[in-house]
Amino acid sequence: QLQLQESGPGLVKPSETLSLTCTVSGGSVGSSSRFWGWIRQPPGKGLEWIGNMYYSGNTYYNPSLTSRLTISVDTSKNQFSLKLNSLTAADTAVYYCASSSSSWYLNWFDPWGQGILVTVSS
Amino acid sequence: ETVMTQSPATLSVSPGERATLSCRASQSVSNNLAWYQQTPGQAPRLLIYGASTRAAGIPARFSGSGSGTEFTLTISSLQSEDFAVYYCQQYNDWPPLTFGGGTKVEIK
Repeated sequence: QLQLQESGPGLVKPSETLSLTCTVSGGSVGSSSRFWGWIRQPPGKGLEWIGNMYYSGNTYYNPSLTSRLTISVDTSKNQFSLKLNSLTAADTAVYYCASSSSSWYLNWFDPWGQGILVTVSS
Repeated sequence: ETVMTQSPATLSVSPGERATLSCRASQSVSNNLAWYQQTPGQAPRLLIYGASTRAAGIPARFSGSGSGTEFTLTISSLQSEDFAVYYCQQYNDWPPLTFGGGTKVEIK
């Protein structure tokens, strides 16, 4: 059974870079059948897709975040990561990692990690 | 970008009653639509994909319908654990993948 778990800092200063990691168990980030993705949710608000990555290195980002975003995969650790730079208070959110099918028209998310709250504040 | 609009924002329903939630797409998404349930403090849980296919382990009281731009999630008889926020998501035209703003189902 595929399971995902986010890790990283809970507090980051404005203008700095957020680095989060998602550890995968019960499956492989090197699988050709899965996308690995990030979604965030500001407190009390809805869900925003951040980006997806395929094991080969192909990435697909939300255009609103492209200039600040890097998603990468580490097959040796069975992890994938998110880096988001130039943080502002608007980036404060619960960040979820999740997985979807690598088939283009099967891109719903299941499963999800439990989420990690990241606060951007000095 | 395909914008997803959910209505109503809040739905007040008594336990045992039927709840009907709507999701509208700004352009056709065919049947490439999923529904999620989120309870407080928890990650979203997949309920429905392909507009009408229940995910594994989802009770039969949850059903999805629609295609193109208009979609509905119906909960036939609300149980206490069903009071939550529900989101739709389109995966037909991406990037970006887009979610609706959510419908909160609360106890009447």
